[in-house]
Amino acid sequence: GQQLNQSPQSMFIQEGEDVSMNCTSSSIFNTWLWYKQDPGEGPVLLIALYKAGELTSNGRLTAQFGITRKDSFLNISASIPSDVGIYFCAGYYGGATNKLIFGTGTLLAVQP
Amino acid sequence: ETGVTQTPRHLVMGMTNKKSLKCEQHLGHNAMYWYKQSAKKPLELMFVYNFKEQTENNSVPSRFSPECPNSSHLFLHLHTLQPEDSALYLCASSVTSGHRGGDTQYFGPGTRLTVL
Repeated sequence: GQQLNQSPQSMFIQEGEDVSMNCTSSSIFNTWLWYKQDPGEGPVLLIALYKAGELTSNGRLTAQFGITRKDSFLNISASIPSDVGIYFCAGYYGGATNKLIFGTGTLLAVQP
Repeated sequence: ETGVTQTPRHLVMGMTNKKSLKCEQHLGHNAMYWYKQSAKKPLELMFVYNFKEQTENNSVPSRFSPECPNSSHLFLHLHTLQPEDSALYLCASSVTSGHRGGDTQYFGPGTRLTVL
């Protein structure tokens, strides 16, 4: 089935640093979503992208829908301790079932 | 608060027990989903309901039985589970799950299930 390759798997950074993570696929996607999951909670939507090339910000977070429609990235600027969690990319690639496919997640740890 | 609630938040059950998970969404959505999240694996879609009708069963064992009495409520009935079924079970909802795609899914907090 379709897979999303998300990298890096984990990141350990100092407070104040910028963070970048990305998601790639071998197939064309028509929607990209970025979620954050805190321990013991469900994923919370951060940013949704619907058009190739689209660049969207949500506070210190910025995400882009790749021009090729096969990738997306998420940047976090000036990280703070509450940014800790697992970040998931997800996307709809269409096809017969139009399922939402999830990446394997990026664990972010922020050292105060 | 995402507008999707799940109960219970934690559940411990034996392999011979029967229990049910409940999900309720207050967003006016018409599609609801069950996902399983196991350690170090991507979220696995289990079931999709669109306007109360099941539109997707992702080869889920029959010991998991979903029920969707209306567009706001979704249940997952559990019986004779196995220890490997222990996981976080997440419910989500979206406007629709139509083939046009792009319907953003909003997740509940999940039920942490442990099968002994």
